[in-house]
Amino acid sequence: DQQVKQNSPSLSVQEGRISILNCDYTNSMFDYFLWYKKYPAEGPTFLISISSIKDKNEDGRFTVFLNKSAKHLSLHIVPSQPGDSAVYFCAASVEGAQKLVFGQGTRLTINP
Amino acid sequence: EAQVTQNPRYLITVTGKKLTVTCSQNMNHEYMSWYRQDPGLGLRQIYYSMNVEVTDKGDVPEGYKVSRKEKRNFPLILESPSPNQTSLYFCASTRAGRGGYNEQFFGPGTRLTVL
Repeated sequence: DQQVKQNSPSLSVQEGRISILNCDYTNSMFDYFLWYKKYPAEGPTFLISISSIKDKNEDGRFTVFLNKSAKHLSLHIVPSQPGDSAVYFCAASVEGAQKLVFGQGTRLTINP
Repeated sequence: EAQVTQNPRYLITVTGKKLTVTCSQNMNHEYMSWYRQDPGLGLRQIYYSMNVEVTDKGDVPEGYKVSRKEKRNFPLILESPSPNQTSLYFCASTRAGRGGYNEQFFGPGTRLTVL
C-alpha cells in the first residue's frame, strides 16, 4: 500500500516557467513532509521541507504548499532552470521517527 | 567534507553468492538506514539502525542482514542473493534537524545486478 504517491512519473517544463510537482499521502499520522532531488548516478539530496503546522514554506525559487484536509502537497519551482532537471521525490515522516516514506518520484525536465 | 560513502558503486554477481555492501558516514550520526530504489516504487526502507548494536527491520527486510558494530559503519549483507534483489541501493544517515525534520544524507548508491 503506497502511503505517499506521486502520480506523475514525468513532467516537462519550459525554462523560465513554473514547475509544479504534486504529491498525495494517505496516512494522517504524517506530520513532516520533505522533497528530495536526485541527479543520475548520485544519491538523493534534501531540498525543502514543511511541518504539518504550516501550509507554506519558501526557500528561494522553491516553495512547498501543504493542504492537510486534502492530504496533498506540491512543490513549486519558479523560475525553472535547466539545472533543475532531475528526479524529485516526495517523502513523509512522523515527528521523532527516523523513517521516511517516499513517493515513486517525478522526473522533471526543463527545456531551454 | 561531510559525506556518506558506499562501496562498491556497481556490482554484478550470481544467485547465491554472498556479498556485502559497505556504508560509512563521517558526520557522527546515530541513525543510519538502507533503502532500495525500484522503478515505480520509489525508495523503500530495508533496515535501519538507531545506534551502535541497535538495528531494526524496515519495510522490505527479507533477504537482507545488517550490522552496526561502529557508529560510522552500517554494512548491508546479502547472504544468498536472488535476482529479485537486483536494484539500486542507498545508504543514508540522519541527524535531528531543526523542528524535528528528518533530513537524511544519502550515499551515491550501489547498483546491484544478480544473475
